[in-house]
Amino acid sequence: KQEVTQIPAALSVPEGENLVLNCSFTDSAIYNLQWFRQDPGKGLTSLLLIQSSQREQTSGRLNASLDKSSGRSTLYIAASQPGDSATYLCAVIRNRDDKIIFGKGTRLHILP
Amino acid sequence: NAGVTQTPKFQVLKTGQSMTLQCAQDMNHNSMYWYRQDPGMGLRLIYYSASEGTTDKGEVPNGYNVSRLNKREFSLRLESAAPSQTSVYFCASTIFYEQYFGPGTRLTVT
Repeated sequence: KQEVTQIPAALSVPEGENLVLNCSFTDSAIYNLQWFRQDPGKGLTSLLLIQSSQREQTSGRLNASLDKSSGRSTLYIAASQPGDSATYLCAVIRNRDDKIIFGKGTRLHILP
Repeated sequence: NAGVTQTPKFQVLKTGQSMTLQCAQDMNHNSMYWYRQDPGMGLRLIYYSASEGTTDKGEVPNGYNVSRLNKREFSLRLESAAPSQTSVYFCASTIFYEQYFGPGTRLTVT
């Protein structure tokens, strides 16, 4: 059974710091991994999509990496800002049945 | 381009009442999904539709029915609402395995 785990569940850091959010998955047979942002009371906004053949994707201050062999992905946020405060979720799509499995998210709070 | 839209945004039901949550996408995507999100449980898949005319059960389908009316629309029906169905419901569509989400419907069953 595919499981997706995100550690830590919550994180508070001072503004300006660089930080790393972790996502691990048990089954490496995936099509892709996608990182989302969710603000309180809102829907999910896609941040980055990494195809299974790719190692990383970058968008502005965000960089996501994927290591399928170890079942890990990281989301790196550079020079964090209070506006980055949100819950960050990762999700994988597994090959054998196209099912999408989400982690439970990391709640990030950037301290001004 | 509205993306994925959901109606209503909020709903309060009494136990035993029925209702249909509506979802539409204007991106010509084949696959559409219904999720529920609960505190501590994360996002769980209720039903999905890989293409017009097909639907499949997800992780938590009991108590729900779905209808893929056409390529644009995918509705979720609660025939007899229960308090355990109090949740936030999200619809999503997918193209080349990248997901796009609607804003959600917050449902309370009393």
